[in-house]
This record gives sequence, C-alpha cells and structure tokens, in this order.
Amino acid sequence: AQKITQTQPGMFVQEKEAVTLDCTYDTSDPSYGLFWYKQPSSGEMIFLIYQGSYDQQNATEGRYSLNFQKARKSANLVISASQLGDSAMYFCAMRFNSGGGADGLTFGKGTHLIIQP
Amino acid sequence: DGGITQSPKYLFRKEGQNVTLSCEQNLNHDAMYWYRQDPGQGLRLIYYSQIVNDFQKGDIAEGYSVSREKKESFPLTVTSAQKNPTAFYLCASSRGERSPLHFGNGTRLTVT
Repeated sequence: AQKITQTQPGMFVQEKEAVTLDCTYDTSDPSYGLFWYKQPSSGEMIFLIYQGSYDQQNATEGRYSLNFQKARKSANLVISASQLGDSAMYFCAMRFNSGGGADGLTFGKGTHLIIQP
Repeated sequence: DGGITQSPKYLFRKEGQNVTLSCEQNLNHDAMYWYRQDPGQGLRLIYYSQIVNDFQKGDIAEGYSVSREKKESFPLTVTSAQKNPTAFYLCASSRGERSPLHFGNGTRLTVT
C-alpha cells in the first residue's frame, strides 16, 4: 500500500523567506507521480506542481519547486519568496500506476503554513 | 469556463436520512472521484469511476454509494449506514494518469 508522510503539522514563516514543506512517501511501485496541492481556508484544492518518478529534472512552476530525492523517497515542496497569500494547508499526494490509469491520489495529512508579515 | 460544480455548498440532515451530493463536470474527463476530508486530516478516497457505468470502491466506501450514468455526473449518496457522515466532501475529475485531479469547491455535510 502507498503511504504519504508530512511530518510538519504547522509552520510559521516570515514573509519573503523561502519555505520548505517536507513530504516522504512509501511505495514498491517503480512508476508513480507526486503532486502538491494548496488548500486555502475556503476549502478549494489548488494544484501546484507535479513530479513523475521517471522525470530527470526536478519540477518547477513559478515560485514553486520540488526537491525530488528518489533514493530517499522524498518530494519536498519549496516556495521561494513567500507571500501572505501563501498561508494555507499544503498537501502532498501520490498517484501510483497500476495499469488502470485512474486509481486516484493518496494524500498526506497536510502542513498548515502561516506566513507572518 | 470548464470546471467541476458541487452543490450545495452546505448541507444539513437529520441522522438516519440518506442524502445525495451532486457533482457535475464539463471538462470532458473520463475519471471522477469522491474524497472525504475530516478536520486536520488529509483526503481519503471514497469511490472513483474511470468510465460511464463503472466505478470502484476506495479506501472508505462503507456507508456510501455512487452512480455514473453520464460522463458529466458522479453523484454520491451518504446512507444512514455511514456512522460518522459529518465531513467535508470533495469531488474531482482527471484526464489521465499523469494529469492532476481537478477539484470542485466541496460540500460541507452536517448530520445531527
């Protein structure tokens, strides 16, 4: 079974600082995908970034980048130059490829990030 | 604009009643999903469907039922057999394996 672990229940960060949100995963499947989502207090889930297990380079998307260390089974999200609007819950999720193509995502419990002015 | 619509945003029911949550998408996605979120927790998969007239149980399917009669629609029924139905329910859809899930805005169900 797949498992996602986010060890930081909450974080306080000063505005404009960089933030690293930890995510480790456990799977025996060689082919998988890793996703990060942001959930503001409104409840919507916003997709941030994707990393495939066979991708050669770490994913980047604007101020978001993924520090993917396959041997360590970690996929930490880095947010550069944090902003007040970054305050939200952040979820790491994994999709495994069992051939069916649509088995859904397994989510971690999330990290509550608060950016302070 | 394409997207996923969940209705209603808030839903209140008495214990012992079945209730159906609506989910409609106009993204032309084949796969659709239902997740449940409890306070301070991540999302847990209830049911998912890859094609019309087919669906599979997720990790916490007991007390729930779904149907997929149309590609655009994937309603979730919370039955009276669900012991702790009060939660935030999120519907999602996806194009395929490497694609992210697109989520609706959720329905907050309160059962008293």
